[in-house]
Amino acid sequence: ILNVEQSPQSLHVQEGDSTNFTCSFPSSNFYALHWYRWETAKSPEALFVMTLNGDEKKKGRISATLNTKEGYSYLYIKGSQPEDSATYLCAFGTGTASKLTFGTGTRLQVTL
Amino acid sequence: DAGITQSPRHKVTETGTPVTLRCHQTENHRYMYWYRQDPGHGLRLIHYSYGVKDTDKGEVSDGYSVSRSKTEDFLLTLESATSSQTSVYFCAITDSGRGGVHNEQFFGPGTRLTVL
Repeated sequence: ILNVEQSPQSLHVQEGDSTNFTCSFPSSNFYALHWYRWETAKSPEALFVMTLNGDEKKKGRISATLNTKEGYSYLYIKGSQPEDSATYLCAFGTGTASKLTFGTGTRLQVTL
Repeated sequence: DAGITQSPRHKVTETGTPVTLRCHQTENHRYMYWYRQDPGHGLRLIHYSYGVKDTDKGEVSDGYSVSRSKTEDFLLTLESATSSQTSVYFCAITDSGRGGVHNEQFFGPGTRLTVL
């Protein structure tokens, strides 16, 4: 079983704060790293899929970076808003199988 | 939104009874996945399919079987439900890409299963 770890487990910030989360994954046999946003009572939705070392992706106020050599990815949220409140999942894909291993997520709560 | 539905959306059953959950897609995607979501565990893969009649196990496959006789349908069966299988079950699909991991997964709405 592959070990994909996310930290922190939960985070509570004020509106306007910038924040970041970490996803750690095995540095060998890397194929892809996914980030998903999961709102309560909804289904996970993809934010980013990154495949190359050094990849940087951005969508609005949310961005992500990837370091495959050391096995980590960061997700950044600039100027957090209450609507950013959700659980953020990362998932690691290897080349040996067509499947993802998910971390347990970082739960973000943004208050006014 | 990706055309992916799950049925039933909610089910309460008793220990020892068989249960089948259905995932249906209209996207003609090759890969389909069944996950379960439990507190403290995130999403864990039960089984997945990489084509009609082609399936493989995930990390928590014990007590579950799957079938895919058509591209659009992926069935998850609990042969004899146990209380430990009380969970929320999500189906996901993705297009081929390179081994299926290079493209994002699209998730269904989930099925909440309670085994008494």
